[in-house]
Amino acid sequence: EVQLVESGGGLVQPGGSLRLSCAASGFTFSDHYMDWVRQAPGKGLEWVGRIRDKANSYTTEYAASVKGRFTISRDDSNELLFLQMNSLKTEDTALYYCASIAVVGTEFLGYWGQGTLVTVSS
Amino acid sequence: DIVMTQSPDSLAKSLGERATISCKSSQSVLYSSNSKNYLAWYQQKSGQPPKLLIYWASTRESGVPDRFSGSGSGTDFTLTISSLQAEDAAVYYCQQYYSTPPTFGQGTKVEIK
Repeated sequence: EVQLVESGGGLVQPGGSLRLSCAASGFTFSDHYMDWVRQAPGKGLEWVGRIRDKANSYTTEYAASVKGRFTISRDDSNELLFLQMNSLKTEDTALYYCASIAVVGTEFLGYWGQGTLVTVSS
Repeated sequence: DIVMTQSPDSLAKSLGERATISCKSSQSVLYSSNSKNYLAWYQQKSGQPPKLLIYWASTRESGVPDRFSGSGSGTDFTLTISSLQAEDAAVYYCQQYYSTPPTFGQGTKVEIK
């Protein structure tokens, strides 16, 4: 069974930092691109960023709204995904999901974790 | 970026009625080399993460009831719920995975009258 379990969310002041983690299991994590997607309260889904696999040099891409502030990394040996968030703004308040929403070869997982809530407020 | 536009934003139907949601992409998500449409549909119930219903535009995920079906190609896609059940009340999203960044429609809220 595929599982993605996020952790690390919480309340942080504007300008602060937070590191989210996502523990993966049930699939070949190292073969898959991984994404972070967020959802502000009552709003739709907003892509945050992606990290590719080792074969693609672990390259990353980010949404314009977070570029330069957020950094995605991964630890394939422990099947972990990370999102380092710096210089947080109130508009970053959202439920953050890790997800596998890219195709690898002919496989598309489309699987999401339960999410971890980040609240940026003074 | 590929822009995904869903319609309608919301709909309300009675139990047993058919519901249809449209999703249009600003450019084709049909990959010519394998003739696959890189389009997925998700269902999101209140307080839950999105759940994959359909991928490759028309392939139903394992365990998804067969009243859910996906169709379309290129830039125009449809999710059909053939006979609405009470548990189908949710927000539905389309997503293209043809290119980075992956992008989502704005969502369609389905309510049961």
